[in-house]
Amino acid sequence: QKEVEQNSGPLSVPEGAIASLNCTYSDRGSQSFFWYRQYSGKSPELIMFIYSNGDKEDGRFTAQLNKASQYVSLLIRDSQPSDSATYLCAVKGTNSGYALNFGKGTSLLVTP
Amino acid sequence: DAGVIQSPRHEVTEMGQEVTLRCKPISGHDYLFWYRQTMMRGLELLIYFNNNVPIDDSGMPEDRFSAKMPNASFSTLKIQPSEPRDSAVYFCASRSDRGNYGYTFGSGTRLTVV
Repeated sequence: QKEVEQNSGPLSVPEGAIASLNCTYSDRGSQSFFWYRQYSGKSPELIMFIYSNGDKEDGRFTAQLNKASQYVSLLIRDSQPSDSATYLCAVKGTNSGYALNFGKGTSLLVTP
Repeated sequence: DAGVIQSPRHEVTEMGQEVTLRCKPISGHDYLFWYRQTMMRGLELLIYFNNNVPIDDSGMPEDRFSAKMPNASFSTLKIQPSEPRDSAVYFCASRSDRGNYGYTFGSGTRLTVV
């Protein structure tokens, strides 16, 4: 079992809708969680991080963490075509030192 | 801040040749990471350094891969001899020991071994 799991997608949403991206992780002791956005042919870019259970909002983005369920999600409100990208979930596990374990990403397509 | 700088951006080489990838981290960042990205396996950690010292190289596929960080502003990843299955995008990333644990990635090197 891979340590960080994401549905590969593609997830297709219409412009203006809410996009919901999900991630589960296997290391129950994990403490730090990150969402990266990667446009095709580009490098990953950090967009959100969350450490505590609950919600964290930054502009149109909301990260949600539920450590009991080992689940982290990213909501994108008022989705725009420019949000079309692959979203990578990353977790700092207890056995990975200072390295992050990445999921394989979910491809998001926002249609005009 | 110029960000994390990698070179070359693209590398095409023949099987059996030596390949050297280069990385300059962000000034002041204490950690440097090398990742490899493929469609099949996603982003895989190869090795990371803290204050120029290798901390975890368990992700290095085999002895054909080696990495060095001779000083705080430069790191290399070498593959010798290269094989077609090494074809991937290789990313270097760095982070500070302060603030959150998020990385800043370089633009990557797309390696093709034919």
